[in-house]
Amino acid sequence: KAGVTQTPRYLIKTRGQQVTLSCSPISGHRSVSWYQQTPGQGLQFLFEYFSETQRNKGNFPGRFSGRQFSNSRSEMNVSTLELGDSALYLCASSLRTANYGYTFGSGTRLTVV
Amino acid sequence: AQTVTQSQPEMSVQEAETVTLSCTYDTSESDYYLFWYKQPPSRQMILVIRQEAYKQQNATENRFSVNFQKAAKSFSLKISDSQLGDAAMYFCAPTQGGSEKLVFGKGTKLTVNP
Repeated sequence: KAGVTQTPRYLIKTRGQQVTLSCSPISGHRSVSWYQQTPGQGLQFLFEYFSETQRNKGNFPGRFSGRQFSNSRSEMNVSTLELGDSALYLCASSLRTANYGYTFGSGTRLTVV
Repeated sequence: AQTVTQSQPEMSVQEAETVTLSCTYDTSESDYYLFWYKQPPSRQMILVIRQEAYKQQNATENRFSVNFQKAAKSFSLKISDSQLGDAAMYFCAPTQGGSEKLVFGKGTKLTVNP
């Protein structure tokens, strides 16, 4: 079966711009989570969605937002980009909760210049 | 906030040998799950093994096994008969907050020498 698909794989944006990243989970998975990975901070939880509802949110500024659609596909948006937003953004899907274990996508590498 | 400590930033092992990666964590929860993930240079995170905290029996998945000590909040990963394809970053991650997220350690970079 198809894995978790994240698009685009690479992105270069300018400070102040906004960006939207997309994630298509494994068929049947209703939970989608987003993580930011940087060399300094490691993997940090952004938010988690289940059945179109945000169930949990990490400690990130309001510039980071997300949503989930009725087909479980998810998008995350970052507005007013800062240099520090440069990171690998990983999407992970799960049947219902993190207890089941995540299946991760290959990530979107965002570079802010 | 929950913390996860992987005290070995880097480890190396000879092919076919055994290596153990350490992980300790801090949690106030009684019911949780623990995971080890690997991230090869291709950057896709792959689930290695899953442990349910209420089970005393240590999880095993082929060449991968864990030593789970709940009271000590320790969760180490043993890789037997190491293969070149095992080279990757390994992350320890317990669930937190009603199982809606994982909290990751900083990772251990494993090198496998031929």
